[in-house]
Amino acid sequence: NAGVTQTPKFQVLKTGQSMTLQCAQDMNHEYMSWYRQDPGMGLRLIHYSVGAGITDQGEVPNGYNVSRSTTEDFPLRLLSAAPSQTSVYFCASGDSGYEQYFGPGTRLTVT
Amino acid sequence: DQQVKQNSPSLSVQEGRISILNCDYTNSMFDYFLWYKKYPAEGPTFLISISSIKDKNEDGRFTVFLNKSAKHLSLHIVPSQPGDSAVYFCAASAQGGSEKLVFGKGMKLTVNP
Repeated sequence: NAGVTQTPKFQVLKTGQSMTLQCAQDMNHEYMSWYRQDPGMGLRLIHYSVGAGITDQGEVPNGYNVSRSTTEDFPLRLLSAAPSQTSVYFCASGDSGYEQYFGPGTRLTVT
Repeated sequence: DQQVKQNSPSLSVQEGRISILNCDYTNSMFDYFLWYKKYPAEGPTFLISISSIKDKNEDGRFTVFLNKSAKHLSLHIVPSQPGDSAVYFCAASAQGGSEKLVFGKGMKLTVNP
């Protein structure tokens, strides 16, 4: 099993650009989530999904969109990138929201 | 307002000794607690958890203690090994809700050989 995969590993965007961070898992997990990690802030939940077709907001959802059309994939879309969205983004999946498997992360810089 | 607090940003211990990582929480609705470990350039990995109906949970060298009245939990690693050097995150959730985790800021543990 590949586990949770994220692409790209690194990305530089200009302010106002849009992009999609990809996340895929091959463990047939119903629960998937996106977090951002900022220095001194820990991990903060952006959006999560409890199954295909079901998504909900986390702690910091503004500026991000998600959709879950399949069990395997949970992409995160940045609509109009801002410098405040410079961060490391982690996707995770699990049988529940508790014991999740995290991907390796995407380091995003917005200039 | 931070609901899960890891007040010490770092801890350094000698190999073979005990490491004690502390975590405090403010939300009395939290009833499930977890520890995650993170190495540089990798995603966090689940380490151990405890439900509020227990006050202790052990898994090998790792033990988590929960003091509900003090809203405090701690992770004990005995004996500490150099491979335990990582950032440790405390997380909490209210099980009656949607399983959303609230993470602390993390603590960097360094185990010296």
